Amino acid sequence: EDKVVQSPLSLVVHEGDTVTLNCSYEVTNFRSLLWYKQEKKAPTFLFMLTSSGIEKKSGRLSSILDKKELSSILNITATQTGDSAIYLCAVGSYGGSQGNLIFGKGTKLSVKP
Amino acid sequence: DAGITQSPRHKVTETGTPVTLRCHQTENHRYMYWYRQDPGHGLRLIHYSYGVKDTDKGEVSDGYSVSRSKTEDFLLTLESATSSQTSVYFCAIRPGLAEETQYFGPGTRLLVL
Repeated sequence: EDKVVQSPLSLVVHEGDTVTLNCSYEVTNFRSLLWYKQEKKAPTFLFMLTSSGIEKKSGRLSSILDKKELSSILNITATQTGDSAIYLCAVGSYGGSQGNLIFGKGTKLSVKP
Repeated sequence: DAGITQSPRHKVTETGTPVTLRCHQTENHRYMYWYRQDPGHGLRLIHYSYGVKDTDKGEVSDGYSVSRSKTEDFLLTLESATSSQTSVYFCAIRPGLAEETQYFGPGTRLLVL
């Protein structure tokens, strides 16, 4: 059965810290890995990583895909209170189910002033 | 903004009553999804649609039905609501088969008493 596991489930840091969030997956016919940020509302898209694009960066956020280890990390440097959110990892695969995504349970990040 | 609206945004109902949630999009995207989000479970797929009148079950479809009579609307119905269906429901769209990313609506918070 396909699955996506995120760790840690929750994390508390102070402003200015650097954090690393982890996502591992077991999926048949891997196609892509996506990261979302969810504050007190709908998830918003951050990055998509594929075999042809294993590293993405936007400002203080960056993400790397390790296809050998079947995992990805999301790094946030110089954290701010506005980074407090749930970070969701999702994996897409080729083949059936019309390209549905499988989501992990998320990592809840709390950034203290 | 992916042009997705959900209605109602909040609803309180009683056990045994039927409930219909609506997802409306303005971009004529072919693929639409219904998820529920619960603490400790992350996002779980209920049903999805890959075109008008084309729908299929997701991971947690028991107790739910869907309909899509027009491209822009995807309805989720709880035929007889139960307390276990208290949740936050998100609709999502996917711009196309070649585009892996899904974009989420604002969500509907449902409380079944």
